[in-house]
Amino acid sequence: AQKVTQAQTEISVVEKEDVTLDCVYETRDTTYYLFWYKQPPSGELVFLIRRNSFDEQNEISGRYSWNFQKSTSSFNFTITASQVVDSAVYFCALSEYGGTSYGKLTFGQGTILTVHP
Amino acid sequence: GAVVSQHPSWVICKSGTSVKIECRSLDFQATTMFWYRQFPKQSLMLMATSNEGSKATYEQGVEKDKFLINHASLTLSTLTVTSAHPEDSSFYICSAREDEYSNQPQHFGDGTRLSIL
Repeated sequence: AQKVTQAQTEISVVEKEDVTLDCVYETRDTTYYLFWYKQPPSGELVFLIRRNSFDEQNEISGRYSWNFQKSTSSFNFTITASQVVDSAVYFCALSEYGGTSYGKLTFGQGTILTVHP
Repeated sequence: GAVVSQHPSWVICKSGTSVKIECRSLDFQATTMFWYRQFPKQSLMLMATSNEGSKATYEQGVEKDKFLINHASLTLSTLTVTSAHPEDSSFYICSAREDEYSNQPQHFGDGTRLSIL
């Protein structure tokens, strides 16, 4: 069975601080996908990144960066110089790679990020 | 990019009413769609996998007679909450599966907030 754990329920920071959201996962699959989504108060899910399990390169996109460590089953997300607009719930998710179940996501509990001005 | 339309976005109705939620893939064909449910301040939990032209596959603990899923075409899946009660009040969100090798193998609708009085 797959499991995703986001141990940080809520994080509060002041604007311009850097913040890291942790994600630890469990799976018996040797290949899989990892995702991060942002859910603003309006409720829709905003896709941030997909990473497949055989690509451990870290990725940077503007103020966002992701650190994938297969050895520790972690896929952490860092926001640099946070802004008020970053306030949202962030979900880490896991899915199978290929097969009939790809696209079916197991979500973590979510981390509520509040950025204060 | 690929878009999934979910309708309605908000429903308020009386207990005992049946409510139908539609999920449409607008610019791609989706043989498989997924339905998730999210209670307030909680994570998204997969309810069922909807397959075009065949019966849906329900996750453990989800009542298939309560949550009827129909996927009659390659672009439309519907979720009907039958004889809804206040405990069915939740945020329901669908996703449509696209090409696994695209950057986003699944695309989410904007969700439906269901409130049963």
